[in-house]
Amino acid sequence: QQPVQSPQAVILREGEDAVINCSSSKALYSVHWYRQKHGEAPVFLMILLKGGEQKGHEKISASFNEKKQQSSLYLTASQLSYSGTYFCGTEKWNSGYSTLTFGKGTMLLVSP
Amino acid sequence: DARVTQTPRHKVTEMGQEVTMRCQPILGHNTVFWYRQTMMQGLELLAYFRNRAPLDDSGMPKDRFSAEMPDATLATLKIQPSEPRDSAVYFCASGNGDTQYFGPGTRLTVL
Repeated sequence: QQPVQSPQAVILREGEDAVINCSSSKALYSVHWYRQKHGEAPVFLMILLKGGEQKGHEKISASFNEKKQQSSLYLTASQLSYSGTYFCGTEKWNSGYSTLTFGKGTMLLVSP
Repeated sequence: DARVTQTPRHKVTEMGQEVTMRCQPILGHNTVFWYRQTMMQGLELLAYFRNRAPLDDSGMPKDRFSAEMPDATLATLKIQPSEPRDSAVYFCASGNGDTQYFGPGTRLTVL
């Protein structure tokens, strides 16, 4: 039930674009994206909700395709500060509550 | 700037010893999560509390791990006895809606 992320790693030069994908074998209610820098805690980037609503805090965009059960994170004109590991988390519903199941992450390295 | 705090930040112990990790969630948050992060498995949910009540601990090895929230400002994760395979970074996160805010983690090494 763990979502599958691709690619596993990306190396970019500053200013280039990248797309990170997250796929699930189960129906998605929402997808959460986090970024973790080396040795630090994961930090929330954005959440995509069923129905198209998107909530985020940074200048990074994402899409959510419910039919294909996948989400994509778009990093355009990448900056050095974008380096880190990106995780997607998909909601798993239980009896009256939900938890997140995270993918194994996509490592992004942006070089000057 | 409110943050989740965790102590200790690093812990090295010998196999068989008890380990206690502590977490102070952000004031006002009603959910607390414990995660374990390893290279092989990534981020795994160990326990989930809402309004201090444990809702989900299905990811936690029951024979040696326990998680509690004695009050709204403190969550604990205990391992007794610890084993080398428990070596990992343990994160606490708190939230009050869709977003989870992670603490800095406790890096545990069991020799």
